[in-house]
Amino acid sequence: KNQVEQSPQSLIILEGKNCTLQCNYTVSPFSNLRWYKQDTGRGPVSLTIMTFSENTKSNGRYTATLDADTKQSSLHITASQLSDSASYICVVSDRGSTLGRLYFGRGTQLTVWP
Amino acid sequence: EADIYQTPRYLVIGTGKKITLECSQTMGHDKMYWYQQDPGMELHLIHYSYGVNSTEKGDLSSESTVSRIRTEHFPLTLESARPSHTSQYLCASSIGGSSGSRSSYNEQFFGPGTRLTVL
Repeated sequence: KNQVEQSPQSLIILEGKNCTLQCNYTVSPFSNLRWYKQDTGRGPVSLTIMTFSENTKSNGRYTATLDADTKQSSLHITASQLSDSASYICVVSDRGSTLGRLYFGRGTQLTVWP
Repeated sequence: EADIYQTPRYLVIGTGKKITLECSQTMGHDKMYWYQQDPGMELHLIHYSYGVNSTEKGDLSSESTVSRIRTEHFPLTLESARPSHTSQYLCASSIGGSSGSRSSYNEQFFGPGTRLTVL
């Protein structure tokens, strides 16, 4: 069964601190992995996308890593800001269908305190 | 910011009412999707469309129906709303294309969502 598991479920950090969010997946055949940021009451917005051959991708203060062998990914946020408070969702796409089906994790709810 | 819009953003209605959630995109995308998301839970695909006059049911069974008469428009309808339909509904779109091409990255752009509450 194709699944995406994220940890921790929730995280509270102080402004300016760094944090790392984890994602494990069992989706096969693998196509790509994305991290989305979803603000409360809004739709998800893409942060990074990585294919099988990529093991790191940065977008400003966000850096995602991918280990396709162990089927693990992480999202590292540096120098956190209050605006980083959101749910971060790991999404894996398979190559087994023309739809390019997406498998969503439940997200990590990050809260940044001043 | 993606050019995909949803209306209404919030809706509170009584049981038994018929409702239509609107979704429009101006990017000319062939593929469109409807997801349902409950608090703290993952998104579940309830409907998708490959293009005009194409609609399919997703992974999660839903009593809603959809139509795709125009490329840019993908409305979702509930004929008789019930409290169990209370949820957030997210619309998304992506460019078309065959598997193996760059478009198979299937980058989906999401609308802001409609928060539906059925009393």
